[in-house]
Amino acid sequence: DTAVSQTPKYLVTQMGNDKSIKCEQNLGHDTMYWYKQDSKKFLKIMFSYNNKELIINETVPNRFSPKSPDKAHLNLHINSLELGDSAVYFCASSPTGTSGRYGTDTQYFGPGTRLTVL
Amino acid sequence: GQSLEQPSEVTAVEGAIVQINCTYQTSGFYGLSWYQQHDGGAPTFLSYNALDGLEETGRFSSFLSRSDSYGYLLLQELQMKDSASYFCAVREDDKIIFGKGTRLHILP
Repeated sequence: DTAVSQTPKYLVTQMGNDKSIKCEQNLGHDTMYWYKQDSKKFLKIMFSYNNKELIINETVPNRFSPKSPDKAHLNLHINSLELGDSAVYFCASSPTGTSGRYGTDTQYFGPGTRLTVL
Repeated sequence: GQSLEQPSEVTAVEGAIVQINCTYQTSGFYGLSWYQQHDGGAPTFLSYNALDGLEETGRFSSFLSRSDSYGYLLLQELQMKDSASYFCAVREDDKIIFGKGTRLHILP
């Protein structure tokens, strides 16, 4: 069984379009994340949700809006796509909740969605 | 500000040992993690250190010195499949901050 899944795996679209990426985890974790990895492999956190509640909202354009219908799902909607949005987007989940003080702080990543904006 | 520093590239020979260092500067600190990422793949968790000392998991070990804000990942008996990027990551309150990654090249 896939632990963290994302759809689609590849997304090619034109500038100005709106698109969504879906993420689901079947690990029973309380916390889910969205990361962006650019062409230089820099992995940067965008959002974190704990039990459907937004915990982290990094400096991300408000064209990006996460939606968590339940704690097993965290979707990412992007409006008015720009060339600079081209990247690989990873969803992840972890069992440690909002504080990493205890436990191994393991993050389980989905396979990624490669977004190309033309 | 927060920052993690690790070498951008390291090259080693198959069967050898390699150490990838990571220094960090954060306002709060709970622990240091290491992740491996193969080309085209997703990051996968390798190890976590919350306390000073060495943690060993098979061929991989990770070390932390909180007083020096420093850690390293040690890979022994290198295999070609270990060719990948390795990221150190620090949890600071609710955030995970990743280093820029170290590309490990392994020569036969």
